[in-house]
Amino acid sequence: DTGVSQDPRHKITKRGQNVTFRCDPISEHNRLYWYRQTLGQGPEFLTYFQNEAQLEKSRLLSDRFSAERPKGSFSTLEIQRTEQGDSAMYLCASSLEFRIRSYEQYFGPGTRLTVT
Amino acid sequence: DAKTTQPPSMDCAEGRAANLPCNHSTISGNEYVYWYRQIHSQGPQYIIHGLKNNETNEMASLIITEDRKSSTLILPHATLRDTAVYYCIVRVATGNQFYFGTGTSLTVIP
Repeated sequence: DTGVSQDPRHKITKRGQNVTFRCDPISEHNRLYWYRQTLGQGPEFLTYFQNEAQLEKSRLLSDRFSAERPKGSFSTLEIQRTEQGDSAMYLCASSLEFRIRSYEQYFGPGTRLTVT
Repeated sequence: DAKTTQPPSMDCAEGRAANLPCNHSTISGNEYVYWYRQIHSQGPQYIIHGLKNNETNEMASLIITEDRKSSTLILPHATLRDTAVYYCIVRVATGNQFYFGTGTSLTVIP
């Protein structure tokens, strides 16, 4: 399967701990996105990368959140000093953006974070 | 940020066509209409998108009104596996993020 993969699928952590999630996009895709989804809501945009450059961050991405895509391939999302409000599904998506076209985003299965 | 309006829920009998409406009355000329769906506990799945012409693929058909202020996603023969939340999204061609809203929860009934 050459789709978007995410690891881990589930993470339970205690409040105050740091967590890191990984996303492996579809190999030829140059854009990578992170979204967060809470119960009963649609996904909300957090940030995106064009190759290794982080080009946009949402106001939802507080100082405790940091994302990297060091070699323009996989990406990591780290949450420091987790809070109960961080409990959510974290979704990664990738797309191929070339010139001016509207390419769809392909999503991974998500990482469900529970902060106790 | 929401630019679309969808009914919160719909039912459809198995084997019948499911017609999911979406209003996007403020759509701009360079904005596409996208449809995604999300089956419980999975990531969103791309279905189809279009600019102004009707589109069809192996999953669904997208009918966009001539004034582009609304559209309908058609699943021609709904199955139980089509039970999901369906999101209608508008986005410019050079846009980055998708604004998902809360979508329509479709239940296919045996």
